Amino acid sequence: GEDVEQSLFLSVREGDSSVINCTYTDSSSTYLYWYKQEPGAGLQLLTYIFSNMDMKQDQRLTVLLNKKDKHLSLRIADTQTGDSAIYFCAERKGNAGKSTFGDGTTLTVKP
Amino acid sequence: NAGVTQTPKFRVLKTGQSMTLLCAQDMNHEYMYWYRQDPGMGLRLIHYSVGEGTTAKGEVPDGYNVSRLKKQNFLLGLESAAPSQTSVYFCASNGFLGGGEQFFGPGTRLTVL
Repeated sequence: GEDVEQSLFLSVREGDSSVINCTYTDSSSTYLYWYKQEPGAGLQLLTYIFSNMDMKQDQRLTVLLNKKDKHLSLRIADTQTGDSAIYFCAERKGNAGKSTFGDGTTLTVKP
Repeated sequence: NAGVTQTPKFRVLKTGQSMTLLCAQDMNHEYMYWYRQDPGMGLRLIHYSVGEGTTAKGEVPDGYNVSRLKKQNFLLGLESAAPSQTSVYFCASNGFLGGGEQFFGPGTRLTVL
């Protein structure tokens, strides 16, 4: 998406940490989301963070938000082969709750 | 609860044909959305609705029409399908304006020949 940018590919070894980065442009975004999409499937919400938070942790997932730089990251600890998928960053605005998505980062986890 | 369901799951059309995609949600959500996803891209918003009887254009509305006659249903119509409309279509809904979880349907894979 034009307003949300992500790197396209990331490859890590099983057991390592993965960090997927995202930048956005709209400072009025209220929520920022991370979705996971496996081949042929729909979007699965992984986690989200409200714009007034800096960090959110949920089991193996850590989301960091730098509002000043409009930078969002998703860290996956102890990455497993089942984590291989496309990860989408999305921002959500208060105006009718419309979301803008990045083009997705394809995460490949090698055994 | 079934969540968000979409009908059909797959469809092949010839150029110029018309069809309607149905999205249904049983969570009493006010807000519903139609997105399309093209290969290697994220989702782009086609149309959305903030309540029964209301619709609005999103980022890529041309060639599509929508209706929200009932709160639980959001229909996406293609009047004259074009190959450029070959895509995967996702419907979503949420109950809170601007926040909270947005629930997605499983998608409809449409091919226009």
